[in-house]
Amino acid sequence: SQQGEEDPQALSIQEGENATMNCSYKTSINNLQWYRQNSGRGLVHLILIRSNEREKHSGRLRVTLDTSKKSSSLLITASRAADTASYFCATLGQAGTALIFGKGTTLSVSS
Amino acid sequence: DSGVTQTPKHLITATGQRVTLRCSPRSGDLSVYWYQQSLDQGLQFLIQYYNGEERAKGNILERFSAQQFPDLHSELNLSSLELGDSALYFCASSSSPVDTEAFFGQGTRLTVV
Repeated sequence: SQQGEEDPQALSIQEGENATMNCSYKTSINNLQWYRQNSGRGLVHLILIRSNEREKHSGRLRVTLDTSKKSSSLLITASRAADTASYFCATLGQAGTALIFGKGTTLSVSS
Repeated sequence: DSGVTQTPKHLITATGQRVTLRCSPRSGDLSVYWYQQSLDQGLQFLIQYYNGEERAKGNILERFSAQQFPDLHSELNLSSLELGDSALYFCASSSSPVDTEAFFGQGTRLTVV
């Protein structure tokens, strides 16, 4: 079962532009994480934001979390062709049950 | 390299057969997760183990089973295979079942013919 739902499903931008992806979830969470997957490869962890945090930065990544709206956003600034990948949000429930992933946003950055 | 090793990388088998997928977690990680990724279903959580014990169960079919051994490696057994079981199967590990990131292996691509 999917807990998080990413929006949009697909995003195409030019190099240098910013990319914003959104994630909505249904139940209370312990933390929310974003992962990246290059085609057919394993997922790579990008950033983790806890339920008591509102914003977090890591390099060109900025993640926000609004627990009242049960939503999160991932902003990638100054996108590069190498950012082309699928991006997934994943939530860990408060009971510490397993990490549940959304269906992902496919980002395509063209040069 | 995530430190999580999955074998085999590719597997082609016939319907009705049984296969075993193996996962070695990162050194020191006690928690192991199994996921199935297909085009139509996305990344589905199957099952989680922590230090040898089953901790959480997701959409795992009765034809599928898993276990985590004392050395912390894990195996996912898929039996009576159907065409619809063709997918990428990922193993991930983490140091704790809560509040930490998960590290993914490169996956096993299963094709059922």
